[in-house]
Amino acid sequence: DGGITQSPKYLFRKEGQNVTLSCEQNLNHDAMYWYRQDPGQGLRLIYYSQIVNDFQKGDIAEGYSVSREKKESFPLTVTSAQKNPTAFYLCASSSGTGVQPQHFGDGTRLSIL
Amino acid sequence: EDQVTQSPEALRLQEGESSSLNCSYTVSGLRGLFWYRQDPGKGPEFLFTLYSAGEEKEKERLKATLTKKESFLHITAPKPEDSATYLCAATNTNAGKSTFGDGTTLTVKP
Repeated sequence: DGGITQSPKYLFRKEGQNVTLSCEQNLNHDAMYWYRQDPGQGLRLIYYSQIVNDFQKGDIAEGYSVSREKKESFPLTVTSAQKNPTAFYLCASSSGTGVQPQHFGDGTRLSIL
Repeated sequence: EDQVTQSPEALRLQEGESSSLNCSYTVSGLRGLFWYRQDPGKGPEFLFTLYSAGEEKEKERLKATLTKKESFLHITAPKPEDSATYLCAATNTNAGKSTFGDGTTLTVKP
């Protein structure tokens, strides 16, 4: 059954620590996205990638980094430069051609220790 | 700057009480308007895509409509299982990038 898998479901970060959130898809989609969702708010775009080995900054990229070495995988690193990392992080993918909806994983909730 | 605004922020209905959710957008060259449903602690689930003004899509108790400035999600005779946050998103490209609204949280009481 095709879909998007995010791991871990819960993650805790200590001060000064970088943490990496995993996102894997088996939908054969070209485009992948990372969003941040804060309580009672919509989705804000962090980074997106339309093709392997290429990615673009979204609206709130500061303090985050990504890589896209494989079509199936788009990991997000939350660096120590991100001073307010506590949020719900969502990964999505779409076929990338034409006007297509995005398919989402079930998120990773990141908290500060 | 592209903007999507949803109203109301929260809506409480009795089971069977029909209503509508609003999504206003200012997106130049709209290519598509999406509706998603999000349950607590889960990722959004796709409901509908609308491409042009006048278009309507229906699924069970939900009907989505689109004008040149806004979209409505009509809920007919809702049930408690329809309780969720409903998100709309607009895109003006073929690259998949969308602008999301903040959502409307719907609660349906039995």
